[in-house]
Amino acid sequence: DGGITQSPKYLFRKEGQNVTLSCEQNLNHDAMYWYRQDPGQGLRLIYYSQIVNDFQKGDIAEGYSVSREKKESFPLTVTSAQKNPTAFYLCASSRLPGNQPQHFGDGTRLSIL
Amino acid sequence: AQSVTQPDIHITVSEGASLELRCNYSYGATPYLFWYVQSPGQGLQLLLKYFSGDTLVQGIKGFEAEFKRSQSSFNLRKPSVHWSDAAEYFCAVGATGGGADGLTFGKGTHLIIQP
Repeated sequence: DGGITQSPKYLFRKEGQNVTLSCEQNLNHDAMYWYRQDPGQGLRLIYYSQIVNDFQKGDIAEGYSVSREKKESFPLTVTSAQKNPTAFYLCASSRLPGNQPQHFGDGTRLSIL
Repeated sequence: AQSVTQPDIHITVSEGASLELRCNYSYGATPYLFWYVQSPGQGLQLLLKYFSGDTLVQGIKGFEAEFKRSQSSFNLRKPSVHWSDAAEYFCAVGATGGGADGLTFGKGTHLIIQP
């Protein structure tokens, strides 16, 4: 079955450490997105990518970085510059960029040790 | 830029009762509208979408939504809720011009089902 796989499901970060969250899709979608979810805040866009080797900052990109070297993969790195990284992170994809329905992975919960 | 408001943070409904979750959007033209559901610790699942045409849209799991341009609303309804409907529900809007940054989500409504 086609879908989006996020790993790991739970991740712990030490102070000063960078961590990378994996997102892989086999839906052959062009566009991919990373959201951060905090209680009562809804979904906030971190980064998005319309096509391979291209990505753009979203509303809360500071302290995060991404790459899009392959169509099916869009990893998110939470750097030590992100001072409040504890959150639920969701990866999504859509067939085309823009107003298309987005398909979501099951998320990664990141916590600070 | 478009925006979405879900006025109710929490809603409690008795099992078997009807449900309506409110969603108001702000956008100059006819938007693309979506409802998603999220179970605890999971990703979001698409319930239904409205692009154009019939303003009453049917979705999965017995849900429907009605687009009302005059009220800038896209409320989600279900005639009889089941305990398994307890979840977080998100309304989202996309610009018809198709901004590359995708959809704008509301902050969600937490649905609690009473036995």
